[in-house]
Amino acid sequence: EAGVAQSPRYKIIEKRQSVAFWCNPISGHATLYWYQQILGQGPKLLIQFQNNGVVDDSQLPKDRFSAERLKGVDSTLKIQPAKLEDSAVYLCASSLGTGLSGNTIYFGEGSWLTVV
Amino acid sequence: AQTVTQSQPEMSVQEAETVTLSCTYDTSESNYYLFWYKQPPSRQMILVIRQEAYKQQNATENRFSVNFQKAAKSFSLKISDSQLGDTAMYFCAFTPNFGNEKLTFGTGTRLTIIP
Repeated sequence: EAGVAQSPRYKIIEKRQSVAFWCNPISGHATLYWYQQILGQGPKLLIQFQNNGVVDDSQLPKDRFSAERLKGVDSTLKIQPAKLEDSAVYLCASSLGTGLSGNTIYFGEGSWLTVV
Repeated sequence: AQTVTQSQPEMSVQEAETVTLSCTYDTSESNYYLFWYKQPPSRQMILVIRQEAYKQQNATENRFSVNFQKAAKSFSLKISDSQLGDTAMYFCAFTPNFGNEKLTFGTGTRLTIIP
């Protein structure tokens, strides 16, 4: 079974530039998450999708971050304009999202962003 | 709001020894799930073990086991016969039990296995 795929794995950009990350979840997984992990910290949820609808985006800095999951499968996370403090690993994850409790959440390998 | 606390930023242990990583959490929920994830340098989060709060029996997965103390809101991970491949960051995580999984993570413990 293929895992959660993310690209690009590494990106270096200058501040005020834009960047986009792509994620393809495990086949059949209805729920997709984007987490931000700053060095030395645990991951923090940015946004959660159930199919193509947003369940939670309360911690997404909406003035610069946007995310979409138009067809309920893959997703794109965009940052524009980037700030130095956006340097982090962006982890995509997915789960079955059946509405039953305790579904395991599977993570991709992450996209490393460095803003200089 | 739920919080997860890992009070040990770093730990190290000799290969083949046993090590215990600590985690405490705070929630007003009566039922929930707790997890330990391993994050090697590649940064992929790998599920190590999970515990359902309504189950009194502590979860076990091969060399990994937990000590779940619901009243104390404590959830420690014990790694037996530690191996070099166990070197990684370990994160404790929580999700409430209402059919909408959303993990809250602790700050992690960096574990080093010494040959």
